[in-house]
Amino acid sequence: EVQLVESGGGLVQPGRSLRLSCAASGFTFDDYAMHWVRQAPGKGLEWVSGISWNSGSIGYADSVKGRFTISRDNAKNSLYLQMNSLRAEDTALYYCAKSQVAGFGNDAFDIWGQGTMVTVSS
Amino acid sequence: SYVLTQPPSVSVAPGKTARITCGGNNIGSKSVHWYQQKPGQAPVLVIYYDSDRPSGIPERFSGSNSGNTATLTISRVEAGDEADYYCQVWDSSLWVFGGGTKLTVL
Repeated sequence: EVQLVESGGGLVQPGRSLRLSCAASGFTFDDYAMHWVRQAPGKGLEWVSGISWNSGSIGYADSVKGRFTISRDNAKNSLYLQMNSLRAEDTALYYCAKSQVAGFGNDAFDIWGQGTMVTVSS
Repeated sequence: SYVLTQPPSVSVAPGKTARITCGGNNIGSKSVHWYQQKPGQAPVLVIYYDSDRPSGIPERFSGSNSGNTATLTISRVEAGDEADYYCQVWDSSLWVFGGGTKLTVL
């Protein structure tokens, strides 16, 4: 079964850091680009960051550029999101999503995890 | 940055056809993807590259894209189609989502 399982969310104070993880199974992880998408409570979807199959191409939304870092470990079938300098507006459910292709661009996200909640509050 | 505009809500009676639009500047030149999200669940891809359906998605779901508007069409709407629907495109090395449309089945 194709599956993505996110972890690492929680309650964190403004200005602190958090690292999210996404464990992939049921498909050849290093054949596909991967993404993080978030959804604030009661709001719509927002793409956060994406990474190509070999980490050669990486992109970030303007709202997180310079604060978040995406990475992957193909040997461990895992995707990560290092989040620094967290703000209240980063509060959201963070989804890991699989791209349809290996490269970076123009494709859809065909598999999604169930998400991990990040709450930034003092 | 590129903006995708969706109506906040669409209502339709069971058995009828629902059309959800996604507006963007010259969106017809881009590939549009559509996702369905039911309450408390993760999004599910229902249409990709304007009009292709992933395996397992009913033929009742179809898509089109031309000019400044892309459209997701759901024929013979069922109660189980009630959900939020989001369009998505890739622009300037970023992925952009529309604001979402809540489909209500009357």
